[in-house]
Amino acid sequence: DGGITQSPKYLFRKEGQNVTLSCEQNLNHDAMYWYRQDPGQGLRLIYYSQIVNDFQKGDIAEGYSVSREKKESFPLTVTSAQKNPTAFYLCASSILTGVQFFGPGTRLTVL
Amino acid sequence: QQQVKQSPQSLIVQKGGISIINCAYENTAFDYFPWYQQFPGKGPALLIAIRPDVSEKKEGRFTISFNKSAKQFSLHIMDSQPGDSATYFCAADSGGGADGLTFGKGTHLIIQP
Repeated sequence: DGGITQSPKYLFRKEGQNVTLSCEQNLNHDAMYWYRQDPGQGLRLIYYSQIVNDFQKGDIAEGYSVSREKKESFPLTVTSAQKNPTAFYLCASSILTGVQFFGPGTRLTVL
Repeated sequence: QQQVKQSPQSLIVQKGGISIINCAYENTAFDYFPWYQQFPGKGPALLIAIRPDVSEKKEGRFTISFNKSAKQFSLHIMDSQPGDSATYFCAADSGGGADGLTFGKGTHLIIQP
């Protein structure tokens, strides 16, 4: 059963804490993406990766970090430097260009 | 200019009516235009997509109209149903863009029974 999985579905973070969001895909896609979604803001690109061991900053990368050690995995770390991390986080993947397939999302809340 | 401008921000339509969402772009390098549907708490799902070599594409009750000269495209939902209530995003891709799709800001559609 092919697709994109994200975990956890809900995540709570205390002030000053780093947290890591998981994204895995078994679609054999080369490109993977992380987006942040806030009400009324649409989808904003955080980081993207076209190949293993390479990734690029998107429009709102400050306070976030990623790694791409395996083709199927693209974890996102929300660091303590991100001052307003409460949001819905979406991971997506694609063949290099064109349609992106999205995961179910992780809702992060700062306590 | 990479923006895709989407309107309206929100839309209320009576059951059985036609829902129309519009998008406009500036970058003439865009050559692929998908629409995504998102239900609350879920990830967006591809609904329908078009390339600029055709002016219209229809899949069931969903139709994309594309006007290349005006650099505009729109989504029409015929016979709108309460189950169509969701947020809809238009997007565009240039094929060579490493950062993938450029998204509109979304339209929150409510279909009243």
